[in-house]
Amino acid sequence: AQTVTQSQPEMSVQEAETVTLSCTYDTSESDYYLFWYKQPPSRQMILVIRQEAYKQQNATENRFSVNFQKAAKSFSLKISDSQLGDAAMYFCAYRSAGAGGTSYGKLTFGQGTILTVHP
Amino acid sequence: DAMVIQNPRYQVTQFGKPVTLSCSQTLNHNVMYWYQQKSSQAPKLLFHYYDKDFNNEADTPDNFQSRRPNTSFCFLDIRSPGLGDAAMYLCATSRDRGISEAFFGQGTRLTVV
Repeated sequence: AQTVTQSQPEMSVQEAETVTLSCTYDTSESDYYLFWYKQPPSRQMILVIRQEAYKQQNATENRFSVNFQKAAKSFSLKISDSQLGDAAMYFCAYRSAGAGGTSYGKLTFGQGTILTVHP
Repeated sequence: DAMVIQNPRYQVTQFGKPVTLSCSQTLNHNVMYWYQQKSSQAPKLLFHYYDKDFNNEADTPDNFQSRRPNTSFCFLDIRSPGLGDAAMYLCATSRDRGISEAFFGQGTRLTVV
């Protein structure tokens, strides 16, 4: 079974600064997808960024970028120029791409990291 | 416009009294997920559908059942809720089982008294 681990329960950052959230995962699969989701307080979860495991190039979405290290099974999220609106719980997630397997399409989340942004 | 709608937003049920939570989507997505999320914890996958193909997690208690009568609707039935089942229940949809984004509803907060 795949597991996702976020070792930082809480992180804080000053507005306009950069912060990196860590995520590691354990899998025996070679093909999969990785995601970062954001869950603001009392609001629904939304996608921040995603990465296909077969792509070596790190994904980037505006101020958000990832550092994907496939061999190390690491998928960290970097938020540049942090804004007050970035304050939320961030979840790293793994989706199996093993077509036909029992895990195919299963979306598994890590424990989450609460990000506080200080003005 | 809301694309994944969960009803009700808040549900109070009595210990042992069956309860049904509903989820509807306007996205025509093939995949639907049900998650249980307890306070400040990771969402725990209960089951998911790919079209009508049902996938149950091995550690999902038998007390939890699901129905998907059509593409748009999915239901979570809790046959005999216990105090430990109090949680936020999240529904999510995804166009496919690949790189596509999962869209979440706002959740149903279940309280068991």
